[in-house]
Amino acid sequence: QQPVQSPQAVILREGEDAVINCSSSKALYSVHWYRQKHGEAPVFLMILLKGGEQKGHDKISASFNEKKQQSSLYLTASQLSYSGTYFCGTEIDSGYALNFGKGTSLLVTP
Amino acid sequence: EAQVTQNPRYLITVTGKKLTVTCSQNMNHEYMSWYRQDPGLGLRQIYYSMNVEVTDKGDVPEGYKVSRKEKRNFPLILESPSPNQTSLYFCASSSIETYEQYFGPGTRLTVT
Repeated sequence: QQPVQSPQAVILREGEDAVINCSSSKALYSVHWYRQKHGEAPVFLMILLKGGEQKGHDKISASFNEKKQQSSLYLTASQLSYSGTYFCGTEIDSGYALNFGKGTSLLVTP
Repeated sequence: EAQVTQNPRYLITVTGKKLTVTCSQNMNHEYMSWYRQDPGLGLRQIYYSMNVEVTDKGDVPEGYKVSRKEKRNFPLILESPSPNQTSLYFCASSSIETYEQYFGPGTRLTVT
């Protein structure tokens, strides 16, 4: 039930854009996105609910394609502070277990 | 300050010696959860709780127990730890309205 994330790793130059994908083999109720910096705890970015709108803040946004059981995280004009590992978490229904992907390592270089 | 606290932060123990990792949150959150994080495997949910006295198994519950007797506390119990439970453990909590999970600082457990 673990969602599949792609790519596994990406290296960007500051100012470039990136897309991280998350796909599930099951129909989804929600998709959660978190970022974890080295040696720290994961930090919430956003959640997308079935039937809900695309969410985003600042230069990070995400979409949720319910039919394809996929979500994508868009990082626009990346900053050095965006470096870290990004995890998507998926729920098949409200109140159920949250399954995280293995993560996508993102490195933004000057 | 709103936070999730875990104790201990680091623990080295021996196989079979029962241990408890405590987790406490001060945000009045209904939902609490335990995860383990291993290199290359991401975050895997062990147990979660939607409210007091309500707990459910996550992806990898074998070898672990939890209890939710109070809203703020959600201890993780390893009755007979084994070396394959060596891992980094995170506790998290969230409101059932916002779903935003706040993670504790993590507990690094080594079982020899």
